[in-house]
Amino acid sequence: AQSVTQLDSQVPVFEEAPVELRCNYSSSVSVYLFWYVQYPNQGLQLLLKYLSGSTLVKGINGFEAEFNKSQTSFHLRKPSVHISDTAEYFCAVQVSEGGGTSYGKLTFGQGTILTVHP
Amino acid sequence: NAGVTQTPKFRILKIGQSMTLQCTQDMNHNYMYWYRQDPGMGLKLIYYSVGAGITDKGEVPNGYNVSRSTTEDFPLRLELAAPSQTSVYFCASRPRSDPNNEQFFGPGTRLTVL
Repeated sequence: AQSVTQLDSQVPVFEEAPVELRCNYSSSVSVYLFWYVQYPNQGLQLLLKYLSGSTLVKGINGFEAEFNKSQTSFHLRKPSVHISDTAEYFCAVQVSEGGGTSYGKLTFGQGTILTVHP
Repeated sequence: NAGVTQTPKFRILKIGQSMTLQCTQDMNHNYMYWYRQDPGMGLKLIYYSVGAGITDKGEVPNGYNVSRSTTEDFPLRLELAAPSQTSVYFCASRPRSDPNNEQFFGPGTRLTVL
């Protein structure tokens, strides 16, 4: 089975400051990694994903994440946040095609609420 | 395309009542999912379906039932509502073969059981 731990439940930052949201995962098979964002009172939207290849992946709205296999981490970063980045962010894993038949099922972390202050 | 739609947006139930949460997608996706979201707990998979007539349990299926008679619809049924089922419910879908492996989420249904 897979598990995902998001190390911070809440992260307050000031506008234009850098931010890092931390995510660690556990799995005995190969996985794909995702970050989803949920704006207030909305559904989830894919921010970025790591499937294979370069370990540094770029997503929408200036976010990026780095896959570190040895540390089983997939931390999300943005060099300068905006008020509009205030949302809840979810890290998730899916068993990869080489790891078995997953039917695309996702295992989510607990979520990190990012609050950007003016 | 409307994407994934869910009805109702909000509902209050009394303990023991039953209801069906509706989910429809117009993207011809084979795979569909139901999650529940509780504060500080992330999203937990309730049930999923890989095509019409095929459903299977997720991580937290107790107290729920599903059916998948068409590709488009994947309703979630609560037979005897309990306070522990107070949550926000999200439906999602994705194609069977998708190199992006992206799930598309509906806007959610907020359910309160009193």
